[in-house]
Amino acid sequence: DAKTTQPPSMDCAEGRAANLPCNHSTISGNEYVYWYRQIHSQGPQYIIHGLKNNETNEMASLIITEDRKSSTLILPHATLRDTAVYYCIVREGNDMRFGAGTRLTVKP
Amino acid sequence: DTGVSQNPRHKITKRGQNVTFRCDPISEHNRLYWYRQTLGQGPEFLTYFQNEAQLEKSRLLSDRFSAERPKGSFSTLEIQRTEQGDSAMYLCASSSRVYNEQFFGPGTRLTVL
Repeated sequence: DAKTTQPPSMDCAEGRAANLPCNHSTISGNEYVYWYRQIHSQGPQYIIHGLKNNETNEMASLIITEDRKSSTLILPHATLRDTAVYYCIVREGNDMRFGAGTRLTVKP
Repeated sequence: DTGVSQNPRHKITKRGQNVTFRCDPISEHNRLYWYRQTLGQGPEFLTYFQNEAQLEKSRLLSDRFSAERPKGSFSTLEIQRTEQGDSAMYLCASSSRVYNEQFFGPGTRLTVL
């Protein structure tokens, strides 16, 4: 079973920041937080991952709370092409367990 | 394109038949993963290879399922005596190290009639 809880769906206006929350209250010290997204009919695409510190790359930012029990993925300027299912995953080693994710719809 | 490729993209078969899917990972990646995804759900881990060694199998991988990676490059996933419940998207992913991101292929969609 997935170790994360995400809202099933969210909407975001095009050009605005999309903030996707994830709860992982049972995360252990060695487990990383990963985010992937899946656009319809495609394989999942890696976005970002982190352990303790906040992370940023060209796609997104990952904010992890100090107690590591939750995190937020931020897409700074959402576009229509960011419409997808976003998965938050807690991972230790090879075991990567996807939940049902958040379906983000970016609206014009 | 040097991404992960999977063949076929779609497979329709009748219950009881055997099917085999192929995955070609990114060439320098020594880790290869198989997942299954049913409608409305996230991918579920099936099995993992490091080079040619199959190091981990999920309890989802019943004895009708077998996976191989004979030379540490491409991999095959075979399902024997298919059942309607096997209908799903079968995804393959590869990575170069355990904590590196996994790159996914487009998947093979299996429909068992």
